[in-house]
Amino acid sequence: RKEVEQDPGPFNVPEGATVAFNCTYSNSASQSFFWYRQDCRKEPKLLMSVYSSGNEDGRFTAQLNRASQYISLLIRDSKLSDSATYLCVVRMGFQKLVFGTGTRLLVSP
Amino acid sequence: DAGVTQSPTHLIKTRGQQVTLRCSPISGHKSVSWYQQVLGQGPQFIFQYYEKEERGRGNFPDRFSARQFPNYSSELNVNALLLGDSALYLCASSPGQGASTDTQYFGPGTRLTVL
Repeated sequence: RKEVEQDPGPFNVPEGATVAFNCTYSNSASQSFFWYRQDCRKEPKLLMSVYSSGNEDGRFTAQLNRASQYISLLIRDSKLSDSATYLCVVRMGFQKLVFGTGTRLLVSP
Repeated sequence: DAGVTQSPTHLIKTRGQQVTLRCSPISGHKSVSWYQQVLGQGPQFIFQYYEKEERGRGNFPDRFSARQFPNYSSELNVNALLLGDSALYLCASSPGQGASTDTQYFGPGTRLTVL
């Protein structure tokens, strides 16, 4: 079983749509949780950290359910510029980040 | 302020050769981590260095080695290259040793092709 599992997609949505990505992780000792965004042939960039209380940053909302070992990302009012791969990331130990394979999002006009 | 820098940006090698990749962290950051990303997959953790000492190692063979210098820059070495080593090699820096507030910032990567 993979340590972090995501649906690879692609998710094809029209502009203005709401889309949700889910992710599960296998190690209950995982310490911190993140969503990173990666554009084609570019480096990953931190989108947001994920907290048990849930957190929101503009059109983006992230949720963590430690009991179910489940992380989610909700994007409202999708923009063309949101097209990218979204990586679910779990921190293990000091600085070891464990990445999912990523979920590809395509937003069309 | 400059972000994480990596060199070279692209590299082509043949099987059996050796390669050295370089990374300069963000000024003031003391921790450097290396990741390998093959096409279609998420990055895989290779090493973490903090204050010039190895603090973490992923599931990679001994052909992979790294070091960190007094100025906190780092090198990743790969010996006896295999076709499967073709990937994007990412370096990430962070301020410290892994406090919950630490964020890892990635460099643009070195794209290695092994023929």
